[in-house]
Amino acid sequence: GNSVTQMEGPVTLSEEAFLTINCTYTATGYPSLFWYVQYPGEGLQLLLKATKADDKGSNKGFEATYRKETTSFHLEKGSVQVSDSAVYFCALRNYGGSQGNLIFGKGTKLSVKP
Amino acid sequence: DGGITQSPKYLFRKEGQNVTLSCEQNLNHDAMYWYRQDPGQGLRLIYYSQIVNDFQKGDIAEGYSVSREKKESFPLTVTSAQKNPTAFYLCASSIDRGVTEAFFGQGTRLTVV
Repeated sequence: GNSVTQMEGPVTLSEEAFLTINCTYTATGYPSLFWYVQYPGEGLQLLLKATKADDKGSNKGFEATYRKETTSFHLEKGSVQVSDSAVYFCALRNYGGSQGNLIFGKGTKLSVKP
Repeated sequence: DGGITQSPKYLFRKEGQNVTLSCEQNLNHDAMYWYRQDPGQGLRLIYYSQIVNDFQKGDIAEGYSVSREKKESFPLTVTSAQKNPTAFYLCASSIDRGVTEAFFGQGTRLTVV
């Protein structure tokens, strides 16, 4: 079946530090991959996406590359800000039937200190 | 503005009562979803619907019910059979059941008192 595994947090960084949150997946075929962000007390917002191998999704300084050979979609940002403090979820969608549902990792909480 | 609206933002329920959470979207999306979020457990799928008048159970459907009488609306009822209903509930929609992204509402926090 489909599954997503992401690094457990919490992750605490100083402002302007480099961020990596690891995400690996298991799926048949060619799923689409997503990163969502959740700020306290709010719903999820789509941060970036990639729909095929070697695609790079990017938004607000965050990047992630769809690596089919390593089944990974790691989230990176070169210089984090206090406002990036949130919970980040890696997710995938696959074709057909119940596979069309979004499958989420458990989330990684990021805290950025001034 | 197009989007997904969940209401209310906070909801309190006495034990033994049924409560209904509202979810409305004006994105003209076919598919809609309900997720439950508990601390440290990520998101778990309760129910999903691909088209009007059709819906399917997700991973944790017991104690919940839904309806899909209109394309834009997908209300969730938390029944008294749900033993531990206190959680954050998120509604989402997507254009279809393929590989496109889903969009989320702002959530409803349900507390049993």
